[in-house]
Amino acid sequence: DAMVIQNPRYQVTQFGKPVTLSCSQTLNHNVMYWYQQKSSQAPKLLFHYYDKDFNNEADTPDNFQSRRPNTSFCFLDIRSPGLGDAAMYLCATSRAILTSEKLFFGSGTQLSVL
Amino acid sequence: AQTVTQSQPEMSVQEAETVTLSCTYDTSESNYYLFWYKQPPSRQMILVIRQEAYKQQNATENRFSVNFQKAAKSFSLKISDSQLGDTAMYFCAFKWSNTGKLIFGQGTTLQVKP
Repeated sequence: DAMVIQNPRYQVTQFGKPVTLSCSQTLNHNVMYWYQQKSSQAPKLLFHYYDKDFNNEADTPDNFQSRRPNTSFCFLDIRSPGLGDAAMYLCATSRAILTSEKLFFGSGTQLSVL
Repeated sequence: AQTVTQSQPEMSVQEAETVTLSCTYDTSESNYYLFWYKQPPSRQMILVIRQEAYKQQNATENRFSVNFQKAAKSFSLKISDSQLGDTAMYFCAFKWSNTGKLIFGQGTTLQVKP
């Protein structure tokens, strides 16, 4: 089945140690999003790609970076994780961006920072 | 700034009964999209129902329907004949039609009791 796959499901890293979260999709969608969801809070958009065009939210910390080497894959890099970066990270895709097209979500990666 | 507010952090309903989840939003835009997403305990978020702001008719998807009051900026979700599988966190979401940015409310945890 076409889907959005996030690996790993759980990630543990040390304070200050760079970490990369992965997302892949078989939907051939143009748009890929990264959301941060802290416990009992709303998912917060970090950035998105429309094809190769990167769009960063104004309040996304510089500590967060992203790469999209091809249509299928997108990575979230956290350069120096702090305790406050512990959260669920959700990847999502959509075919188009300026429409009522729904987002397809992955199951998320739960990041712990020790 | 646009905001989405869900005033009910937790709700419960007996199986087979009807429940309504509330959502209000604040925007100066006239054209936008509204969504309800469901996030079951497995954490993969899925679309429940969507509404285009320019449509006056309320959206319906099987047991799920919305009450869209544009002037009041209200977008409530009604779940009829509640089932155990409806147990999840429900997020109301607002999407700008000119930027495609999607923001979420804080969520309502719904427990369906047998």
